[in-house]
Amino acid sequence: DIQMTQSPSSLSASVGDRVTITCRASQSITSHVNWFQQKPGKAPNLLIYAASILQSGVPARFSGSGSGTLFTLTISSLQPEDSATYYCQQSYTIPIPMYTFGQGTKLEIK
Amino acid sequence: QAQLVESGGGVVQPGRSLRLSCAASEFTFSSFSMNWVRQTPGKGLEWLALISHDENTKYYADSVKGRFTVSRENSDNTLYLQINSLRPEDTAIYYCARDRSMKMGRVFFHWFDTWGQGTLVTVSS
Repeated sequence: DIQMTQSPSSLSASVGDRVTITCRASQSITSHVNWFQQKPGKAPNLLIYAASILQSGVPARFSGSGSGTLFTLTISSLQPEDSATYYCQQSYTIPIPMYTFGQGTKLEIK
Repeated sequence: QAQLVESGGGVVQPGRSLRLSCAASEFTFSSFSMNWVRQTPGKGLEWLALISHDENTKYYADSVKGRFTVSRENSDNTLYLQINSLRPEDTAIYYCARDRSMKMGRVFFHWFDTWGQGTLVTVSS
């Protein structure tokens, strides 16, 4: 199975900071990565799909990049409402779908 | 706006069975593949199962293969997850999620664009 390793597991940043979260896949998955934001007591919310495509309605300060085995989620200017846990997910379906998530990154606002 | 609502969770004794439901509305349910995902404090998010729009194809995570069964009733806009031989480690919030896909070049990309609010399953004697 493909493993997804996220780093860091937690971070604290200030409003206006640029924040980057990294996800590394155990094998090449081209651009089959999605990113989710989850706030306490809520379901995950899709931010980015296919590594870099912004989901409709998601603020433009969120962006994704990467291919192969290394992927990043960047928040260009951190806002108070961005306090949440962020997850990457691989959606590579060769030979069969076996979607797996990273372990999550908890982002706190200083 | 597409909506998913899970139900069927609760407190269950180890070894018993449970069937979770996911009611879909505001979209053409029969056109979409669907997934089940669970979340535990210790293991984060765990994908469990995928069922195609016509129920012809099903995939399971290795960790639940043989104990979990995904099904759907398109006439009722409802997705199901049957869980047998429940274990304490099955204690989790269970979510259903809609599978979106798009062909880019020769490759299909998939993502989960709509999630339910989740239903809590607690396995305890």
